[in-house]
Amino acid sequence: DVKVTQSSRYLVKRTGEKVFLECVQDMDHENMFWYRQDPGLGLRLIYFSYDVKMKEKGDIPEGYSVSREKKERFSLILESASTNQTSMYLCASSPGSRGLQPQHFGDGTRLSIL
Amino acid sequence: AQSVAQPEDQVNVAEGNPLTVKCTYSVSGNPYLFWYVQYPNRGLQFLLKYITGDNLVKGSYGFEAEFNKSQTSFHLKKPSALVSDSALYFCAVRDGGPYNTDKLIFGTGTRLQVFP
Repeated sequence: DVKVTQSSRYLVKRTGEKVFLECVQDMDHENMFWYRQDPGLGLRLIYFSYDVKMKEKGDIPEGYSVSREKKERFSLILESASTNQTSMYLCASSPGSRGLQPQHFGDGTRLSIL
Repeated sequence: AQSVAQPEDQVNVAEGNPLTVKCTYSVSGNPYLFWYVQYPNRGLQFLLKYITGDNLVKGSYGFEAEFNKSQTSFHLKKPSALVSDSALYFCAVRDGGPYNTDKLIFGTGTRLQVFP
């Protein structure tokens, strides 16, 4: 079974801090994704990566950056955290199958910015 | 542009009754469609997909979905609901885009409540 592990289930940070969310997958997947989930808005894509060191902006990249130095790890960075970034963050990975295979999700990080 | 809509925020059904969670899509070309379920404080779990072939797709936990090209719909169904099916359900469609990735566009989700 594919395992996608997010480093923290719950995280509390202060405004202005630089925040790192880590995600690791164990299936040698090509694609990795970061989403945020807010009530009534569904899942919104922040960034995705289709290969090591390759990244593309999603629908809401402002205030975020990402890093993918190794294939198994995809990090989301909040450069200067703000209260409107309080949310559930979900990481996913997939094999890079041109849409034939599903994405596999981690259990999420619930981030609170005070 | 690709899009997917879930017209109901919440669906209520009694245990033992059939359930339907609706999804409609808009794509250019052939749609690749997915259903996911999310239980409280968990990530999304894949239920089933339609890529090509039989319009009735069977998935995990007794769920199935019917692809209807003329109505551009992909409704999730189960013949007999269980209380444990209560969860948030997401429909998704592949977003082709560049790089031929597995990128998806998700609906806003439908909360299913099954009452004993």
